[in-house]
Amino acid sequence: GQSLEQPSEVTAVEGAIVQINCTYQTSGFYGLSWYQQHDGGAPTFLSYNALDGLEETGRFSSFLSRSDSYGYLLLQELQMKDSASYFCAASSYGGSQGNLIFGKGTKLSVKP
Amino acid sequence: GAVVSQHPSRVICKSGTSVKIECRSLDFQATTMFWYRQFPKQSLMLMATSNEGSKATYEQGVEKDKFLINHASLTLSTLTVTSAHPEDSSFYICSQKQGAGQFFGPGTRLTVL
Repeated sequence: GQSLEQPSEVTAVEGAIVQINCTYQTSGFYGLSWYQQHDGGAPTFLSYNALDGLEETGRFSSFLSRSDSYGYLLLQELQMKDSASYFCAASSYGGSQGNLIFGKGTKLSVKP
Repeated sequence: GAVVSQHPSRVICKSGTSVKIECRSLDFQATTMFWYRQFPKQSLMLMATSNEGSKATYEQGVEKDKFLINHASLTLSTLTVTSAHPEDSSFYICSQKQGAGQFFGPGTRLTVL
């Protein structure tokens, strides 16, 4: 089957750095993306990796290692507003064009 | 990214009624849109892929006769939950793909009494 594993919860303090890991097992994998979802809201796109390496977008960075079937989202200089759930999602060939398989999400709590 | 709207944002209905949810692409012509469902504290599950001008593609386990999808134009896809029951209460979200990412509508929270 196809699955993505990520921690269910992470807690960190303001100003800190946190890394959310994601391992995947999908056939026809071609990319890993990350989404942020605040309580009661819809997911918003954060980043996408199709190639190995690090993609940096402001305070957020995302990494992919295809050989290890592993990626992570790195959040720096944490702010209270970063408290949300973060989902990794895999894109794969063979399914509907563009459809995503989501992990179960990691709930990040940022404390003062 | 793409701008997607949904209507209504919240609906409460009695068991047995049908509910229509609209998903509009405001700045992009989308031949394909996606419908997801999310139960509380769970992940998003793809229900179906809506294809403009043709039949939707449903994921395994999703009843096509219960969740009717119509994608009559490049900017509008609708999901109708027919004969809704309390177990259909959920957060329904549409999305469209643009570039590397998917861009989601604000979602519709359905509560069936």
